[in-house]
This record gives sequence, C-alpha cells and structure tokens, in this order.
Amino acid sequence: QVQLVESGGGVVRPGRSLRLSCAATGFTFSNSGMHWVRQAPGKGLEWVAIISHEGSNKFYADSVKGRFTISRDNSKTALYLQMSNLRAEDTAVYYCAKDQGYGYGSSLGMDVWGQGTTVTVSS
Amino acid sequence: DIQMTQSPSSLSASLGDRVTITCRASQGIRNSLAWFQQKPGKAPKSLIYAASSLQSGVPSRFSGSRSGTDFTLTISSLQPEDFATYYCQQYNSYPITFGQGTRLEIK
Repeated sequence: QVQLVESGGGVVRPGRSLRLSCAATGFTFSNSGMHWVRQAPGKGLEWVAIISHEGSNKFYADSVKGRFTISRDNSKTALYLQMSNLRAEDTAVYYCAKDQGYGYGSSLGMDVWGQGTTVTVSS
Repeated sequence: DIQMTQSPSSLSASLGDRVTITCRASQGIRNSLAWFQQKPGKAPKSLIYAASSLQSGVPSRFSGSRSGTDFTLTISSLQPEDFATYYCQQYNSYPITFGQGTRLEIK
C-alpha cells in the first residue's frame, strides 16, 4: 500500500539547521509531485513547499522561502526538506504528502500523508 | 494569496445528524478544492478533491459541492468516527492555502 514515513525531526536551537526525510513506498514515486505541510502546536495546517516529479519545479511558502530547500532522490524514493536558520515559529509537526499529479504548474491535490515528524526550535 | 474562510469554527452535533461545513475562497479557484479530516495526534486524511470527488475508500456519507467560490462539505448521517477537525484547502495556485478548520464535536 502507499506509505510515506517521515524522519529527522528533533530539538534544535534557533539559527541552526535540520534535514527532514520522507521515505515513500507503494507507488511510482518518480511520477508524483510531493509536498511538505506543517502544523504548529494547537494550530491549523500550513503548506510549506512542493517539488515536481523530477525535481525541476519548486514552490515555497513565503514564510520559509530562502531558508528551506525541498529536494528529492527518485532513485531512493525519498523526499527531503533542508531547513536552515530555524526560528521558534518553525516549531511544528512536519508532514510529507503525495500530490495526485506531477507537480508541474499547479497541484492536483494531496491524496496520501505521512504520520509526521516533530521539529522543536528552542534555546 | 488566496484566503480560505471556513465556517463554522466549531460545531456540536449528534449521531445521525446531517452536518454542513462551508469554505469560501477570496477569489476564483475553479474546482481546485479539497477537504481533509484530522483526528487528535494523527495525520490529516484526504476525503474529497476537485470539490466533489470522493477519495478511494471514503464513505459515501461524505459529499462535497461548489457554488461559485463557495464550497460545502456535507456529512449525511454522523457516525462516531466522524468527530474530528475538518479543513478545506485550495490548490488552484501557489501558495496552497487552508481554511482555519472546523472542530466537530459530539453534542
């Protein structure tokens, strides 16, 4: 079955970096755009970024642009989120999600989500 | 950015009730609207995409509709497992944006 498993979360000090990973199984990873979405404690969902199926197109939320980088390795069926210059307001559960399309131009919507990994930014 | 205004923010209902949650987009988004269900401590689950298409495996008591920039999620007969928080999401343009959520509670 389709499965997404995030890892790499933890506690990190403000200004430091962290890389999240998302391992994908059960579908043709190289045919799907992929997203990162986050949820701060007690808050709603916030979209973070999308990457197209072959990695050439990327879009980011303004809140993370210039600090976060989304990437993928189709040979490993893995999605990544490199987070740098972390701030307290980046504290959240981070989810990866599969797009129903290739991730070019516009999304076709998210159909499968991982269980999330928690990032805490605190001194 | 497209703003998604979801209402109500919370709702109390009984088993078997029919409930409706509404989401209004600040500008046209065609049919690029999804609905998600989230239970405490769990990941969101996709229910509906393209405003009215049910995801595979989602019970038929869930339905979605569109009227212009107004979108509606309807649960025809509430079941115990339906008490959760529901989010709408527009994916017509970037940044993708979510409504603020509707918490559905047992009356």
